[in-house]
Amino acid sequence: EVQLVQSGAEVKKPGESLRISCKGSGYSFSTYWIGWVRQMPGKGLEWMGVIYPDDSDTRYSPSFQGQVTISADKSITTAYLQWSSLKASDTAMYYCVRQVASEYYFDYWGQGTLVTVSS
Amino acid sequence: EIVMTQSPATLSVSPGDRATLSCRASQSVSSNLAWYQQIPGQAPRLLIYDASTRATGIPARFSGSGSGTEFTVTISSLQSEDFAVYYCQQYNNWPRVTFGPGTKVDIK
Repeated sequence: EVQLVQSGAEVKKPGESLRISCKGSGYSFSTYWIGWVRQMPGKGLEWMGVIYPDDSDTRYSPSFQGQVTISADKSITTAYLQWSSLKASDTAMYYCVRQVASEYYFDYWGQGTLVTVSS
Repeated sequence: EIVMTQSPATLSVSPGDRATLSCRASQSVSSNLAWYQQIPGQAPRLLIYDASTRATGIPARFSGSGSGTEFTVTISSLQSEDFAVYYCQQYNNWPRVTFGPGTKVDIK
């Protein structure tokens, strides 16, 4: 069974750093793109970027380029989303997603990680 | 960037009724369009891909159609578990995929 299991909710202060994780299982982790999707409170879905764990090829949405870092460690089948300096506007639910091989839609979603940034 | 719009923003439907949701792209995306369902408090799930192919485990009451810039998803007879928000997503312009703003289907 394919599963994407994300790390737990986080409460941080502005300016702090953060890394959240997404562990894949039940499939060949290295050979599927893993992406991240943001959902701000009460809002829609925004695609942030994707990574191919086998070679760490990473693509970002222009809206998120330079704002976050996506990485992966294929040895432990885990992808990461990282901030170096959080802002209040980063408060959102973040989902990791598996992108279908050779297609570009998302067939499996993690359960989401709620990030709250507040002073 | 390809901009996706969805209509209506909210659709009020009675259980057992038919619901038709629309999605429009600012330029052609061929058939590279997916639909997702998000029940409140849950992660989205894939319903339809390639504009008209149901994902694994999706009931036959869901159907998708369209190509180019105009797309629809139809729920033939709404069940209680279908009341949710539905998003379309284009992936013709990968990696710059974009989602629509969503249509909320609620109980009339």
